[in-house]
Amino acid sequence: ILNVEQSPQSLHVQEGDSTNFTCSFPSSNFYALHWYRWETAKSPEALFVMTLNGDEKKKGRISATLNTKEGYSYLYIKGSQPEDSATYLCASTGGGNKLTFGTGTQLKVEL
Amino acid sequence: DTGVSQNPRHKITKRGQNVTFRCDPISEHNRLYWYRQTLGQGPEFLTYFQNEAQLEKSRLLSDRFSAERPKGSFSTLEIQRTEQGDSAMYLCASSSITGGPDTQYFGPGTRLTVL
Repeated sequence: ILNVEQSPQSLHVQEGDSTNFTCSFPSSNFYALHWYRWETAKSPEALFVMTLNGDEKKKGRISATLNTKEGYSYLYIKGSQPEDSATYLCASTGGGNKLTFGTGTQLKVEL
Repeated sequence: DTGVSQNPRHKITKRGQNVTFRCDPISEHNRLYWYRQTLGQGPEFLTYFQNEAQLEKSRLLSDRFSAERPKGSFSTLEIQRTEQGDSAMYLCASSSITGGPDTQYFGPGTRLTVL
């Protein structure tokens, strides 16, 4: 994998559903993996930064895992709520400070 | 609110005009970044400052683009002779040196439309 890739591109779920997204990144020269949530007309909000293989982070109903050997991260949302509707971006850094972003997963939670 | 602020939020200009955007980072942050997001893509890195020094520039930053951070506080991004391909969301982020991976805190962006 040469670039950061995210899937799916978009997702519609019902309120109360649990869901997950995938982020794939180059496993060589890896330093850190970041997840952001970006709601329309707002600033991207930092969710997690992970560096170590096997890292798991949790913030309320949202959690993330990291596999640096195979180059992927999962983001999980438990019991989705309408306020979770946003674009979820992952980004990797390869030793420097610049973030290389995926194209994002657009989540829409419907009542 | 002590987050990252960007001005203006929206800018519409005609092709060939010059535009300048401003970013005010979180006050104690010494690193400042500019990114650009075009339709259907994730944000792409443009340039990065540590204090007033511009330490890295992307090849995306053509000679029509210039960024400054004169006193190590706010930053400006100028685009000269704008082209329709410059239409994008321009994002600014700031971070502090922690010894580990920086968490970058983003502003709301400036949306540029070039007619």
